[in-house]
Amino acid sequence: QKEVEQDPGPLSVPEGAIVSLNCTYSNSAFQYFMWYRQYSRKGPELLMYTYSSGNKEDGRFTAQVDKSSKYISLFIRDSQPSDSATYLCAMTLNSGGYQKVTFGTGTKLQVIP
Amino acid sequence: DVKVTQSSRYLVKRTGEKVFLECVQDMDHENMFWYRQDPGLGLRLIYFSYDVKMKEKGDIPEGYSVSREKKERFSLILESASTNQTSMYLCASSLGGSKTQYFGPGTRLLVL
Repeated sequence: QKEVEQDPGPLSVPEGAIVSLNCTYSNSAFQYFMWYRQYSRKGPELLMYTYSSGNKEDGRFTAQVDKSSKYISLFIRDSQPSDSATYLCAMTLNSGGYQKVTFGTGTKLQVIP
Repeated sequence: DVKVTQSSRYLVKRTGEKVFLECVQDMDHENMFWYRQDPGLGLRLIYFSYDVKMKEKGDIPEGYSVSREKKERFSLILESASTNQTSMYLCASSLGGSKTQYFGPGTRLLVL
């Protein structure tokens, strides 16, 4: 079993829809939870990170962490065609003073105009 | 803005060739990383470095080596390229102790 599981999609939604992207994890020692966005033929870029259980909002994006269920989500409100990308969840573990990052495999999102 | 650059966007090499992938960051970050990204497998850590001349093996170091002679530059070396090393290679950097990694644009390597 992988430490981090993420549905690869693809997920196709109409413009303006609310998008829900999810990851589950097995290691309760993970400390920080992040979402990266990766456009085609580009490197990932950090969207948001959170430490504790609960919600964190940034514009149209909301990151949600439920540590008791080992489940994290990214919600995108009023989705736009420019949101079409692959979204990677990532989680960190303190490993000998270094933050080891484990990535999900990514969910490909397409927002149809 | 942090900038991480990689020497090539696309590379085609033959089996058995020695391949050098270079990465440069301009933000004085202590940590640098090399990942490969494959469909269905996500990002897998090959090697990382937390200081000049220091290196640590990641999850899949076999067939690779690295060099960090200067703080801003981290090289990935494929000693003898094989077809199963065809992949997207991503370099990243971060401040010491930080969880946030900044990625370069990636190098698509095809080994024939």
